[in-house]
Amino acid sequence: QKEVEQDPGPLSVPEGAIVSLNCTYSNSAFQYFMWYRQYSRKGPELLMYTYSSGNKEDGRFTAQVDKSSKYISLFIRDSQPSDSATYLCAMRTSGTYKYIFGTGTRLKVLA
Amino acid sequence: NAGVTQTPKFQVLKTGQSMTLQCAQDMNHNSMYWYRQDPGMGLRLIYYSASEGTTDKGEVPNGYNVSRLNKREFSLRLESAAPSQTSVYFCASRGVGGQEGEQYFGPGTRLTVT
Repeated sequence: QKEVEQDPGPLSVPEGAIVSLNCTYSNSAFQYFMWYRQYSRKGPELLMYTYSSGNKEDGRFTAQVDKSSKYISLFIRDSQPSDSATYLCAMRTSGTYKYIFGTGTRLKVLA
Repeated sequence: NAGVTQTPKFQVLKTGQSMTLQCAQDMNHNSMYWYRQDPGMGLRLIYYSASEGTTDKGEVPNGYNVSRLNKREFSLRLESAAPSQTSVYFCASRGVGGQEGEQYFGPGTRLTVT
């Protein structure tokens, strides 16, 4: 079993829809959770960062962490065609330099 | 700030050739990383450097060597390229504290080994 599982998609939604992207993980020691956005043929870009449990909101993006269920989510409100990209979750434990990445979910927002 | 820069952007090698991928960051970050990204495999850590003068193996180090030349630069060398090393290579750096303490990636190098 992989430490981090992420549905590869692709996920296609109409413009304006609410998008929910998810990752599950098995290591209860993970404390730092990130979401990266990667456009085609570009490097991953840090989108959201959360420490421990709870929600974090930034504009149209909300990151949620549920440590009891070992489940993290990224919600995108009012999705735009420019949100079309691959979204990678990543996580790490405290005091480590090593990150564990999900394989990424491809999202297409249709105009 | 340019952030993390990588050269070259593209490279084609023949089996057995060698090359060095260059990475530099101007964010004064201590930690630097090399990953490879393959379809369906996600990002896999090749080597990382927690600070200037130190390097450690990641998940897939075989066939690669690294040099942390100074705080800004971290290079990845393929001594004898193999077709299995065809991939997209990303360098990342990481600062300290809060969101700055997470990884920032370069634009990548697309390598094809024939």
